[in-house]
Amino acid sequence: DTAVSQTPKYLVTQMGNDKSIKCEQNLGHDTMYWYKQDSKKFLKIMFSYNNKELIINETVPNRFSPKSPDKAHLNLHINSLELGDSAVYFCASSLKHSGNTIYFGEGSWLTVV
Amino acid sequence: KNQVEQSPQSLIILEGKNCTLQCNYTVSPFSNLRWYKQDTGRGPVSLTIMTFSENTKSNGRYTATLDADTKQSSLHITASQLSDSASYICVVSAYYGTGANNLFFGTGTRLTVIP
Repeated sequence: DTAVSQTPKYLVTQMGNDKSIKCEQNLGHDTMYWYKQDSKKFLKIMFSYNNKELIINETVPNRFSPKSPDKAHLNLHINSLELGDSAVYFCASSLKHSGNTIYFGEGSWLTVV
Repeated sequence: KNQVEQSPQSLIILEGKNCTLQCNYTVSPFSNLRWYKQDTGRGPVSLTIMTFSENTKSNGRYTATLDADTKQSSLHITASQLSDSASYICVVSAYYGTGANNLFFGTGTRLTVIP
């Protein structure tokens, strides 16, 4: 059983396109996250949602827009993709927003050409 | 400035040998410290989580230590196996009261175990 699942796993798209990455968790967690991992393998938080409400919104271009239809889903929509958006995007969840283990999805490899 | 630094950046060891990975941090106020293992092409998986009062925590062949005074942690891997080859990421959490629990990630140590 997949705890945190995200789709697609691989995505290659042209500059200027709009794309979405979907994420679902079946752990009953309240908090979900989106992280970006760059080429140097550094993980950086982008967004955090707690019970569908935005908690953390780091300095991310407004071309990135998260949407949480319910607490089990947190989708990431990216407008006008740029070459620098190429990275691995990880969805994650935790029981509550503080002090709990974070469970990561398998990642979505985005390549912008 | 809140930072997490890990060393070494990469490490190659023979199967069966032990190794120790280091994590130094300047994150404040400290809440907890976690070690994650990330296999190539996969998402990070939690190995241990330690709070301020915990000095040592084990998970099988993995043993993490924490010295909150010197703000250092180590991850010791005993009798390494080929499957231990992965990146190990140290993550330190700062808790500012109600609401946000900020996480600060190290850049990881890439461990390669060779036969």
